[in-house]
Amino acid sequence: GAGVSQSPRYKVAKRGQDVALRCDPISGHVSLFWYQQALGQGPEFLTYFQNEAQLDKSGLPSDRFFAERPEGSVSTLKIQRTQQEDSAVYLCASSLGRVYTDTQYFGPGTRLTVL
Amino acid sequence: RKEVEQDPGPFNVPEGATVAFNCTYSNSASQSFFWYRQDCRKEPKLLMSVYSSGNEDGRFTAQLNRASQYISLLIRDSKLSDSATYLCVVASTDSWGKFQFGAGTQVVVTP
Repeated sequence: GAGVSQSPRYKVAKRGQDVALRCDPISGHVSLFWYQQALGQGPEFLTYFQNEAQLDKSGLPSDRFFAERPEGSVSTLKIQRTQQEDSAVYLCASSLGRVYTDTQYFGPGTRLTVL
Repeated sequence: RKEVEQDPGPFNVPEGATVAFNCTYSNSASQSFFWYRQDCRKEPKLLMSVYSSGNEDGRFTAQLNRASQYISLLIRDSKLSDSATYLCVVASTDSWGKFQFGAGTQVVVTP
């Protein structure tokens, strides 16, 4: 079946621009996670949704970052007034249930470059 | 101090040899453990879950030591295709299941 998809795959933004990154999780998956991966580092947690509810946004670096999942499926991560330090790969992952033992399946990521 | 720490490597391994490396974690509430594999410029993919009793999947063996708070991965009979970064992942009961990743251990298998 189809895996997690993300779009766009690559995004170049000028400093100060707003960007929106989309994630389509595996159909029927309850949990959705966003991670940020800087070059040479492991992914860092940003936020977590259980269906449409955002249960944890403790990893969002600043109030310029906003995520939503209004109908409990597709999710959007929005970054306002992008800064150079926002350059990274943004990974979306989904899992079937809502327990910490569930495998997370990752999308290919969106590589954001802020000039 | 990061919650999950790994030796970044690289581990340069001749084809056919065995390589092993560890990952330490600091949160004693950690309950789920995984090894993910990440190829260059690709997304992480599950290699294997790590169970308390240790588990094996083909040439890969994972061990968990709760007392010392580390997990290990051993790769036997290394193949060129095993060249990748191996990410240690920990999930805790107190964190909605969000994954804590290590920075990864790079393995390079040479002919």
